[in-house]
Amino acid sequence: EAGVAQSPRYKIIEKRQSVAFWCNPISGHATLYWYQQILGQGPKLLIQFQNNGVVDDSQLPKDRFSAERLKGVDSTLKIQPAKLEDSAVYLCASSPGGSNEQFFGPGTRLTVL
Amino acid sequence: RKEVEQDPGPFNVPEGATVAFNCTYSNSASQSFFWYRQDCRKEPKLLMSVYSSGNEDGRFTAQLNRASQYISLLIRDSKLSDSATYLCVVNQGGGQGNLIFGKGTKLSVKP
Repeated sequence: EAGVAQSPRYKIIEKRQSVAFWCNPISGHATLYWYQQILGQGPKLLIQFQNNGVVDDSQLPKDRFSAERLKGVDSTLKIQPAKLEDSAVYLCASSPGGSNEQFFGPGTRLTVL
Repeated sequence: RKEVEQDPGPFNVPEGATVAFNCTYSNSASQSFFWYRQDCRKEPKLLMSVYSSGNEDGRFTAQLNRASQYISLLIRDSKLSDSATYLCVVNQGGGQGNLIFGKGTKLSVKP
């Protein structure tokens, strides 16, 4: 079974630039999550989707971060404009209905200079 | 008080040693508990769920003490391949997948 796919794997940008990340969850998984993991920290939930609806975006910095999952499958996370403190690994995860287990993608490592 | 607290380590142990990690959580309404493993520069992967009755999977034993809001992971007969960061994870309920991750405990198993 194919896992969660993410791209790009690495991205380097300058502050105030924009960046977008893409995630393709495991086929059939209704729930999709975006996490931010800063070096030395555990992953922090940014947003959770159930199909194409937002379940929880309470920790998403909405002034600069946005995410969508238009058709209930793939998702994109955008940062506009980026700040130095956005340097982190952005992890996408998915889970099937009724399960607590989340399956993570390899992440996108973002460096903001 | 942080929501999920772990000793960051590192724990440096020889092969064959027994090592235990502890974790405390602040929300008494938390409903389910997990240990995830994260290898260096890799994504987290579920190691095991933690049940009130305690559970064992091979060399790994997880225990939960709801009264003390405390979770533990015991690794027996450590292998070199056990070297990783172990993340304590709590589901606070209120909807599927509301997971709160600790910062992780780093384990290094030496020959």
